[in-house]
Amino acid sequence: RKEVEQDPGPFNVPEGATVAFNCTYSNSASQSFFWYRQDCRKEPKLLMSVYSSGNEDGRFTAQLNRASQYISLLIRDSKLSDSATYLCVAFTGAGGTSYGKLTFGQGTILTVHP
Amino acid sequence: NAGVTQTPKFQVLKTGQSMTLQCAQDMNHNSMYWYRQDPGMGLRLIYYSASEGTTDKGEVPNGYNVSRLNKREFSLRLESAAPSQTSVYFCASSESLPGYLARYEQYFGPGTRLTVT
Repeated sequence: RKEVEQDPGPFNVPEGATVAFNCTYSNSASQSFFWYRQDCRKEPKLLMSVYSSGNEDGRFTAQLNRASQYISLLIRDSKLSDSATYLCVAFTGAGGTSYGKLTFGQGTILTVHP
Repeated sequence: NAGVTQTPKFQVLKTGQSMTLQCAQDMNHNSMYWYRQDPGMGLRLIYYSASEGTTDKGEVPNGYNVSRLNKREFSLRLESAAPSQTSVYFCASSESLPGYLARYEQYFGPGTRLTVT
């Protein structure tokens, strides 16, 4: 089983729709989580950080459920420019002299159409 | 402020050739990383440097070597390229410190697309 798993999609939604992605993680020691956005043939860029139960930034809301070990990303009022791949990332292991590690999911492809 | 820069952007190698991918960051970050990204595999860590003067293996280090030249620069070397190393390579940096949970967000360079024939 992969340490971080995402539904690869693709998700095809019309402009203005609300879309949600789920991500599950297997390591219960994972401490914090991130959503990165990656445009086609570009580098990943940080979208949101999730250190506690959730985070909200404009149209984007991330929620963390530690009991069920999943993180979700909700995008409201989708725009054409939201079309991208969304990467779920888990951070595990910082403490003492450890720097910890990031584990990336495969990504979920979102296409927003007119 | 350029962030993370990588050179070259594209490269084609023949099997057995060697090359070095260069990475530099101007954000004064402690940690730097090299990843490869393959279809269906997500980003996989090759090597990382938690701080200047240290390097450690990641998930897929075989066939690669790294050098943390100074705080800004972290290079990745392929000594004898193989077709299995055809991939997109990303360098990243972060302001990470041991024992701290915060600020582990990583900032990525634009990537190097490498093809080995």
